[in-house]
This record gives sequence, C-alpha cells and structure tokens, in this order.
Amino acid sequence: EDKVVQSPLSLVVHEGDTVTLNCSYEVTNFRSLLWYKQEKKAPTFLFMLTSSGIEKKSGRLSSILDKKELFSILNITATQTGDSAVYLCAASGGTSYGKLTFGQGTILTVHP
Amino acid sequence: DGGITQSPKYLFRKEGQNVTLSCEQNLNHDAMYWYRQDPGQGLRLIYYSQIVNDFQKGDIAEGYSVSREKKESFPLTVTSAQKNPTAFYLCASSRALRVGEQFFGPGTRLTVL
Repeated sequence: EDKVVQSPLSLVVHEGDTVTLNCSYEVTNFRSLLWYKQEKKAPTFLFMLTSSGIEKKSGRLSSILDKKELFSILNITATQTGDSAVYLCAASGGTSYGKLTFGQGTILTVHP
Repeated sequence: DGGITQSPKYLFRKEGQNVTLSCEQNLNHDAMYWYRQDPGQGLRLIYYSQIVNDFQKGDIAEGYSVSREKKESFPLTVTSAQKNPTAFYLCASSRALRVGEQFFGPGTRLTVL
C-alpha cells in the first residue's frame, strides 16, 4: 500500500526561526514529490520535485528530494506569522496514474 | 481569472439524503479529482477522471458517485450509503492525468445532522 508520512505533525516556532519539515514516502511507480501549503481552504502548490539532489527555491522556502532514501524536506527560513499553515506533502505514482498519495500534514504555527 | 470553483462552501444535510457538490474549472484541464479531508488525516482520493465521460474509483469511492459530462464540470454526489460523510471535500484538476501539479478548489464543508 502506498504511504506518505510527514513529521513532525505539529510545530510551534517564533518569527525569525528556521524550520525543517520532513516527508518520507513508499509509493510504487514513483514519479514526483509535491509540497502544498493549506491555509483553511484550498491547498496552494509550492514545489514539485522529480530529480534527486536538486534543490528548488522560492524566496524563503526551499525543498530537496532524496530518491535513494525516499524522503524530502521543506525548509522555511526567517519564518513569519503568515507562514502559519498546514504543509502537505504528496507523492505521485502508485498503481493509478496521476494519483497523489498525501501525508497527514504538518501544522506550523509561527508566533510573533 | 482561471481557476476552480466549488459550491456550496458549506452544506448541511440530514441523514439519509443524497447531496451533490459542484466543481467547475476553466483551466482547460483534462483531469479532475475529488478528495476528502478529515482532521488529522491527509487527503484521500475518492474519484478521478482523465477525460470527459470517463472516471475511475479512488481509494474511498464507496458511498459516492460522480459524472463527467463536460470537460469543465465534475460533480460529486454523496449518497445515503456513505457511512460517515461529514468532512471537507476538495476538488482538483491537472493538465492531464500524469502531467503537472494538481490545482485545488476552495472546498466544500459537508456536515450531516
């Protein structure tokens, strides 16, 4: 059975801290690893990673994939209160093409 | 503006009633998906469709039905056979079944009274 596990499940930090969110996966026919940010409603797309060892960056957010060890991390530097959200990791692949298997999410709370 | 719309935002229903959740996209995407989200759990796939008039069951299809008569529309019916329908329902689309990221609508929160 395809599985994606995120850790920690929740995290509380103060503005300016750096956080690292973890995502491990076991998915047959793996194609890509995606990160989304969810603030009460629609998840918004952050990154899609297909190649191992290549970091993707967008402002203070960055992510990298390790296909050998089957995990990805999402880093957020100089956190702001607006970063408070649920961060979802999803792996594409499985027995059905296009299927995304989601992790439970990490709830990040950033205090001023 | 291109995007995905879902309606209604909140929906209340009595036990034993069928309800239909709307999902429309104007992104010209071929593939569409329905997910269910429960507290403390990730999104779980209910149904997906790669093209008009075609759809496939996801991991938790029991008690749900869908149709795909138009490219833009992928409504989800929650039937009375669904044992625990109270949840947050998210619709998504992508350019094609294996291509690119999925874009999500704002969701419908269904509560069974």
